[in-house]
Amino acid sequence: DQQVKQNSPSLSVQEGRISILNCDYTNSMFDYFLWYKKYPAEGPTFLISISSIKDKNEDGRFTVFLNKSAKHLSLHIVPSQPGDSAVYFCAARVFYGGSQGNLIFGKGTKLSVKP
Amino acid sequence: DGGITQSPKYLFRKEGQNVTLSCEQNLNHDAMYWYRQDPGQGLRLIYYSQIVNDFQKGDIAEGYSVSREKKESFPLTVTSAQKNPTAFYLCASRPLSGGETQYFGPGTRLLVL
Repeated sequence: DQQVKQNSPSLSVQEGRISILNCDYTNSMFDYFLWYKKYPAEGPTFLISISSIKDKNEDGRFTVFLNKSAKHLSLHIVPSQPGDSAVYFCAARVFYGGSQGNLIFGKGTKLSVKP
Repeated sequence: DGGITQSPKYLFRKEGQNVTLSCEQNLNHDAMYWYRQDPGQGLRLIYYSQIVNDFQKGDIAEGYSVSREKKESFPLTVTSAQKNPTAFYLCASRPLSGGETQYFGPGTRLLVL
């Protein structure tokens, strides 16, 4: 049973427009949510995170929104650039128990930004 | 230059052979992790270690083994018991205190001959 879900396998947007990537989770025992960007045949790179006590975190063109009541978070990229084309993984951090600190990953969304 | 290194970049395994993937970090991080990525799948946790000489099974540990003799190193052995080893393997690390972010190495692609 997936605890972190990214229901859109792919997303295509025009350069300069907004990209919105979505993520849902089922477990309330997460204290941080993270977004990673991954190019083919490379390791994921950390993009941005948000604490479960916040509802928004912004870093340059990237903003993450957290809706705890809906157990939903989203990553907004504005404006989108062709170099943003990659697979984006949503991850949630477990905050208690023996696996404290472990991350649970979604399956990823492949973003294509068209010039 | 601080970071995580994984070697080799590509590895070929023959049937019945054990192979070992290397992961080294000079970030002074306490915790280290091994993940497996398959096409269209997220990252699935194989093993993790929070301190030297201690490690725990993740969600898909069967057919794999690890050791953590030094803080900097966390090698993963893919044994002959792993029947479907072809995948992209990723190593990550993080500091235990004040760090929610895991940092990843460049990965090793394992292929079966």
